[in-house]
Amino acid sequence: DAKTTQPPSMDCAEGRAANLPCNHSTISGNEYVYWYRQIHSQGPQYIIHGLKNNETNEMASLIITEDRKSSTLILPHATLRDTAVYYCIVRVSDSNYQLIWGAGTKLIIKP
Amino acid sequence: AAGVIQSPRHLIKEKRETATLKCYPIPRHDTVYWYQQGPGQDPQFLISFYEKMQSDKGSIPDRFSAQQFSDYHSELNMSSLELGDSALYFCASSLWSGHHAEAFFGQGTRLTVV
Repeated sequence: DAKTTQPPSMDCAEGRAANLPCNHSTISGNEYVYWYRQIHSQGPQYIIHGLKNNETNEMASLIITEDRKSSTLILPHATLRDTAVYYCIVRVSDSNYQLIWGAGTKLIIKP
Repeated sequence: AAGVIQSPRHLIKEKRETATLKCYPIPRHDTVYWYQQGPGQDPQFLISFYEKMQSDKGSIPDRFSAQQFSDYHSELNMSSLELGDSALYFCASSLWSGHHAEAFFGQGTRLTVV
């Protein structure tokens, strides 16, 4: 799986959009970008994934650059409950191979 | 909706004791995964099972073993516990093994070895 780089921490004001970047310059053509988050001491939670088109679901939007070397996870209206560590993982979709977790971004939502 | 159930939620054991952690996957999910997360660390994959057979193996110590039963629940058995085994242990499940990336995680078992 391709390596990803994320900032170690970010702050965002409550109610504003939180934009979390991820660099994955060595991504292969068949690798997807997955995002997860882990609220303190809880199990990781799948958020969204995409290949090359932008994706949106009830939790977030995923913007992938045209060259696919980076992506941004957008939480449109951040709440205090969105404070968590956010992980960006790149991997093939239909694979039973283990998830390799990087350091992630600690997102702190401030009132 | 039913989620992944792990038991117990908290467990305190002494060094050299044994521990058994249980995981009940989401109904109709046939694949379970075990992860270990030490304090301040990222989750580390231990082992997974698909249709009661081991499907992938990660950094699981030889002192640990796991299995998946006919009802698809799984148990992680840990023997000769060491202080370094203190961690959060997460179980996850997915509809089939190819959906590892979209697995649903349980709330974890916090194991403290004293």
